[in-house]
Amino acid sequence: GAGVSQSPSNKVTEKGKDVELRCDPISGHTALYWYRQSLGQGLEFLIYFQGNSAPDKSGLPSDRFSAERTGGSVSTLTIQRTQQEDSAVYLCASSPTGWGNTIYFGEGSWLTVV
Amino acid sequence: GIQVEQSPPDLILQEGANSTLRCNFSDSVNNLQWFHQNPWGQLINLFYIPSGTKQNGRLSATTVATERYSLLYISSSQTTDSGVYFCAVAGNTPLVFGKGTRLSVIA
Repeated sequence: GAGVSQSPSNKVTEKGKDVELRCDPISGHTALYWYRQSLGQGLEFLIYFQGNSAPDKSGLPSDRFSAERTGGSVSTLTIQRTQQEDSAVYLCASSPTGWGNTIYFGEGSWLTVV
Repeated sequence: GIQVEQSPPDLILQEGANSTLRCNFSDSVNNLQWFHQNPWGQLINLFYIPSGTKQNGRLSATTVATERYSLLYISSSQTTDSGVYFCAVAGNTPLVFGKGTRLSVIA
């Protein structure tokens, strides 16, 4: 597609439920990133995929968070047993290759845990 | 890890005024980007500028990599320039974002 596409755009879930957030990167981009932005805060790195290399998971805040990228394209971020502190905007981005390139963000998935 | 500091944290401008936003970083980098986050939350890429100077319309940016800072210039500001401006840097590591400069342009 023309840009990075994320779904759902908004999600309200009950504490303790699992959620899945989807990201479809720009066609041809081999690098994909997930960030999180809490209300009024900066962006916090979560995970990075580059081609067939092992993902950089160093930013995942707990083992309740996981992500996969199938076929080198679409990625899914899964949050298990959601907590209220997980409420944030989850932003996906992609770039043609790795960190030394311009990265482009999607519009984000707004997650609210009640 | 790399530290990124942006200043000022908040800025209010009269429409038509010029401004300079600053980004200091603590280590050598091979990626530096400026983003504008509009009031709806969308992050728009302004510049990819690990070194040198670039201009795009009323916006320009300069990065002095040896002195570890970057500047974003906004000239003849418009109300549509309002939002948060983020600087993000990386050195073969995940992009690290500063806390942003919140700009409000009033008519």
